Amino acid sequence: SQTIHQWPATLVQPVGSPLSLECTVEGTSNPNLYWYRQAAGRGLQLLFYSVGIGQISSEVPQNLSASRPQDRQFILSSKKLLLSDSGFYLCAWSWGANGELFFGEGSRLTVL
Amino acid sequence: RKEVEQDPGPFNVPEGATVAFNCTYSNSASQSFFWYRQDCRKEPKLLMSVYSSGNEDGRFTAQLNRASQYISLLIRDSKLSDSATYLCVADSGGGADGLTFGKGTHLIIQP
Repeated sequence: SQTIHQWPATLVQPVGSPLSLECTVEGTSNPNLYWYRQAAGRGLQLLFYSVGIGQISSEVPQNLSASRPQDRQFILSSKKLLLSDSGFYLCAWSWGANGELFFGEGSRLTVL
Repeated sequence: RKEVEQDPGPFNVPEGATVAFNCTYSNSASQSFFWYRQDCRKEPKLLMSVYSSGNEDGRFTAQLNRASQYISLLIRDSKLSDSATYLCVADSGGGADGLTFGKGTHLIIQP
């Protein structure tokens, strides 16, 4: 069966510090991978998605970046965090491009 | 602009009752729809997929009305464990950026 894990689960970071969130998928090959952010009172916002190694599409301009160094690994990074980066970050995978997404446990980031 | 609108609630419903809530979408090109369940401070989990007029899975029924551009979710014989936020998603096709999430409807089942 397929599983998805992301870490760390909780982060408290000062403004201007770097960020690295990691996500791995097991039990499937060449999945579509996604990073979403869920801010308080808002719907899920797609940040990045990837259909293959090294292929990253960005949905919104921001100070975040994503990388896919391996088929089942997706990393979300920032060089300098802003207060507005606080939120619940969710990694997800899917078979192909459809709305049936399988989410990781989420990473709750608080920027102070 | 693609939008998916949901009543945020909360819907307070006694255990055993039937509850229904709607989700409206603005993009008429939306082809398929999904309901996700999200528990407090947890990740969303897929509840149902709707590719045609509707879908039924046990106590849960989803119905699609393309003419009026809304999807409904009906929960029969509600359980305490049904308490959660229910997210509606519309998919207009074309990949990941074709998905639009609603902000969710908060449901509380009371004993």
